[in-house]
Amino acid sequence: QVQLQESGPGLVKPSQTLSLTCTVSGGSIRSGDYYWSWIRQHPGKGLEWIGYIYYSGSTYYNPSLKSRISISVDTSNNLFSLKLSSVTAADTALYYCARFYSTYYYESSGYTRGYFDYWGQGTLVTVSS
Amino acid sequence: SSELTQDPAVSVALGQTVRITCQGDSLRGYYASWYQQKPGQAPIVVIYGKNNRPSGIPDRFSGSSSRNTASLTITGTQAEDEADYYCDSRDSSGNHVIFGGGTKLTVL
Repeated sequence: QVQLQESGPGLVKPSQTLSLTCTVSGGSIRSGDYYWSWIRQHPGKGLEWIGYIYYSGSTYYNPSLKSRISISVDTSNNLFSLKLSSVTAADTALYYCARFYSTYYYESSGYTRGYFDYWGQGTLVTVSS
Repeated sequence: SSELTQDPAVSVALGQTVRITCQGDSLRGYYASWYQQKPGQAPIVVIYGKNNRPSGIPDRFSGSSSRNTASLTITGTQAEDEADYYCDSRDSSGNHVIFGGGTKLTVL
């Protein structure tokens, strides 16, 4: 059973860099079928995709956050990380890491393009001085 | 456009059938995935592809799609189905994930 666990500071000061790590167990981050993702949820709000990374290091970022995001992968330790710079109170959120099963196939009248099959429990990050 | 639109809230009587919809241009020709999120918990996928349920998801959950609208149907809704439901797809580039705003399902 794959498990993902987020870790990192729960409190970050404005203008500083938020840094989180997601440790993966029960499966290899080197598997070619998956992208390793960060998703956040503002208090009482919906889900916002931040970005994801392939084990080779290829990344895709949310265009609205791209200038402040860096996602990296450490295959030796089976983990991946998020850095979000110049944080403000608007970055206060519950941050999830998740595994995205990357598939693409035609079925009946449309294409399936993958889905998030495992999620961490989330870690709350508050931006405050 | 790269937006997915969901009704903010839907209610259903216990044991009845409810349909939750997700609308967006990015769904034309593509299936959405659906996630259930209960209070204090991480989301879980309940439907992916045309109408596929991961292991452990009850068969009262089903998915369908027409043109630019994806639907999640719960047949014989149970009290434990009360949750927020999110759809997802990709933006016009195909490389970026987008989520719908979520639908809060209340079981009466």
